Amino acid sequence: DADVTQTPRNRITKTGKRIMLECSQTKGHDRMYWYRQDPGLGLRLIYYSFDVKDINKGEISDGYSVSRQAQAKFSLSLESAIPNQTALYFCATSVRDLGPGRGAGYTFGSGTRLTVV
Amino acid sequence: AQSVTQPDIHITVSEGASLELRCNYSYGATPYLFWYVQSPGQGLQLLLKYFSGDTLVQGIKGFEAEFKRSQSSFNLRKPSVHWSDAAEYFCAVGETPNFGNEKLTFGTGTRLTIIP
Repeated sequence: DADVTQTPRNRITKTGKRIMLECSQTKGHDRMYWYRQDPGLGLRLIYYSFDVKDINKGEISDGYSVSRQAQAKFSLSLESAIPNQTALYFCATSVRDLGPGRGAGYTFGSGTRLTVV
Repeated sequence: AQSVTQPDIHITVSEGASLELRCNYSYGATPYLFWYVQSPGQGLQLLLKYFSGDTLVQGIKGFEAEFKRSQSSFNLRKPSVHWSDAAEYFCAVGETPNFGNEKLTFGTGTRLTIIP
């Protein structure tokens, strides 16, 4: 099994529908992140969570919400989907930086391709 | 806030030729820098990282990168590319010192095409 699992892999939904993207990890990492990827824009941070009780907005959080149900699970919701939320969504995890060189960067899931029609 | 610029959107290289992908960052302190690779339909995989010390870092798949503080650059290189290197490459910078490698900011990516 993958270290970071995202479900679903692909989803087509209609404008105005509520949709949830799920992420679970077996890395034991305390930090989890949601990014979206758009052509020509790279990856942009939506939300991040440093532990179960700590959730923070990223640079493009409008229209999104998240839930950290457990250390291993971090869900992203679109309350009322709109077409410009069509994108590739990535979940990532990381371990707390314990000092220079001891961090390992992110571990990414395989992504969820969301299309809003 | 930190930022990353990857000036080349798309690069085409012949198989066996050398490669250099450019990355410039903006950050006030010593940055944590990363290169990731994304193969088609896949997530991102870490190629290499720089935190401090030796400015030339070695990564997986034969890649290396050099940190140049004076130029605010962290360019990725490979002496001889293989067809399997065709992918999109992302440079990223992490906030320091409070967060370390957490909360990365990514560049817009460089797509690499390999021709026979």
